[in-house]
Amino acid sequence: DAGITQSPRHKVTETGTPVTLRCHQTENHRYMYWYRQDPGHGLRLIHYSYGVKDTDKGEVSDGYSVSRSKTEDFLLTLESATSSQTSVYFCAISERVQNTRETQYFGPGTRLLVL
Amino acid sequence: GQNIDQPTEMTATEGAIVQINCTYQTSGFNGLFWYQQHAGEAPTFLSYNVLDGLEEKGRFSSFLSRSKGYSYLLLKELQMKDSASYLCAVKSNGGGYNKLIFGAGTRLAVHP
Repeated sequence: DAGITQSPRHKVTETGTPVTLRCHQTENHRYMYWYRQDPGHGLRLIHYSYGVKDTDKGEVSDGYSVSRSKTEDFLLTLESATSSQTSVYFCAISERVQNTRETQYFGPGTRLLVL
Repeated sequence: GQNIDQPTEMTATEGAIVQINCTYQTSGFNGLFWYQQHAGEAPTFLSYNVLDGLEEKGRFSSFLSRSKGYSYLLLKELQMKDSASYLCAVKSNGGGYNKLIFGAGTRLAVHP
């Protein structure tokens, strides 16, 4: 199994509060991703990173920001949480985009409930 | 636009064979993945197709037709532990980065 951890694994917060989720990898992979998973929508990409300090937006980036100051850590921040951000958040990693067989490996997920 | 369709739910009997279909419309197609996801767990990689044809891996096989925008995952000799969601994901190389676009998943229930 790829060495990916996420913290916290569960969180309950209130509307308007800031929340930061952490993804940590021990594989030294270059690419890291944040997804959210909601019923009926599948996994949707929020932000991704292609190196330290290099990040870009995915399809559902509004209300989220990310940072990557080290290869092993990718942080997802909800600046002011809303109920629509209640979801399960998955981090994923991959290596070598030039290799078409490149596979993304997923962390265990974080369940976030915004009240 | 980009779109991936797969059935929402399927049921099958232990020991039987089931085929889960996936159709897609996307630009910059660069491969198709199947992932398995048990309830409350992370998706795990099952198979990858980039060329037309069938890829076999034990009890699981995956087929791709790029001209038809179609793939299927075939599960043989079904076991109870195969009850899970199966996610079809298309790799798009738009922008030069490895972006996966996921379908909503097919929830498979295997009954005795």
